[in-house]
Amino acid sequence: GQQLNQSPQSMFIQEGEDVSMNCTSSSIFNTWLWYKQDPGEGPVLLIALYKAGELTSNGRLTAQFGITRKDSFLNISASIPSDVGIYFCAGQSSNTGKLIFGQGTTLQVKP
Amino acid sequence: DAGVTQSPTHLIKTRGQQVTLRCSPKSGHDTVSWYQQALGQEPQFIFQYYEEEERQRGNFPDRFSGHQFPNYSSELNVNALLLGDSALYLCASSSPGQGVNYGYTFGSGTRLTVV
Repeated sequence: GQQLNQSPQSMFIQEGEDVSMNCTSSSIFNTWLWYKQDPGEGPVLLIALYKAGELTSNGRLTAQFGITRKDSFLNISASIPSDVGIYFCAGQSSNTGKLIFGQGTTLQVKP
Repeated sequence: DAGVTQSPTHLIKTRGQQVTLRCSPKSGHDTVSWYQQALGQEPQFIFQYYEEEERQRGNFPDRFSGHQFPNYSSELNVNALLLGDSALYLCASSSPGQGVNYGYTFGSGTRLTVV
């Protein structure tokens, strides 16, 4: 079945540092989504990407839809303590189809 | 504008019992999907409902069933509960179209514990 490989699995960084995480797949997706999940809560959508090569920003977050449609990355600039959480990428073959999730990146920020 | 609401928030059941979880989609959304998230894992797709019919299904046994009502709300039913069914059950709603107004929006989930 379809699988997404997300890396790194975890990151422990200093406040103010930039963060980068990425997802790769053997399958093509038409949509890439990035979510953040806090403990005991549902995932919250951060950025949605719909076109190959698309680069989208949301505040300090920037994400790109890979040109091959098989990968995506998320950058967080100038990290702050509230960035702590688990970040998931998700691929979608159609804009209402099921999501395939990466394994998640756990981010910890040291003040 | 209410987002996706799920009930109950927590539930404890005994092995062999049956459970029903409920979901109300975000306003303007007509498609509801259910996911199971085991502790420390990523969400796994169970099934999706659109126009009151199951449109897609993941690799889950028939013990997992669902329903969508005319107002787009949905229920997830699990029969003959196993210990391994303990997880956070997430409901997500969406609607055809692009952008964050249409894209998958998740509820806070129902934490099911089977003892």
